[in-house]
Amino acid sequence: GQQVMQIPQYQHVQEGEDFTTYCNSSTTLSNIQWYKQRPGGHPVFLIQLVKSGEVKKQKRLTFQFGEAKKNSSLHITATQTTDVGTYFCAGQTGGFKTIFGAGTRLFVKA
Amino acid sequence: NAGVTQTPKFRVLKTGQSMTLLCAQDMNHEYMYWYRQDPGMGLRLIHYSVGEGTTAKGEVPDGYNVSRLKKQNFLLGLESAAPSQTSVYFCASSYSSADTDTQYFGPGTRLTVL
Repeated sequence: GQQVMQIPQYQHVQEGEDFTTYCNSSTTLSNIQWYKQRPGGHPVFLIQLVKSGEVKKQKRLTFQFGEAKKNSSLHITATQTTDVGTYFCAGQTGGFKTIFGAGTRLFVKA
Repeated sequence: NAGVTQTPKFRVLKTGQSMTLLCAQDMNHEYMYWYRQDPGMGLRLIHYSVGEGTTAKGEVPDGYNVSRLKKQNFLLGLESAAPSQTSVYFCASSYSSADTDTQYFGPGTRLTVL
């Protein structure tokens, strides 16, 4: 079945360092969404990418969708302690089922 | 708007006991979902509903049943709880099945089965 792999599983960074998480799908996606979950909280929608090669920015966050629409990345520039949490990618293939990656947990040391 | 709410927030069960988790949304969304979240496993879809009166199996449906008698409510039932069902359960809803639609999550229910 369809799989969405996400790496790394977790990452520790010093505040001010950059952070990137990668998402790879076994099949071509119609779109990909990114969610953030704070410790003890619930997933909150961040952004959606639909077009091949699409790049979107939200302040210090940059999201990319691969040309083949099978991979995506989230890059955070100059991390802050408020960035702590788990970042999930979620891929859709044209149906209503969303397949979530396992998530990357980000730890930021002040 | 309260968005998506879940009750209860926490629950401890003994093996073999039953319980029902309630999810409610006030956004008039057609689609509702139940996920479970386990460490290192991400979110896995248990069951979902594409509208009032309809339900369908997701990725990990065994041991669970659901009902959607009202559009705003989606119930998840455990008939005979097992320790393997210890998890955090999230309900979500979305307006439509369109690929561009996002899911709104409830705060979660932390279930422990002893």
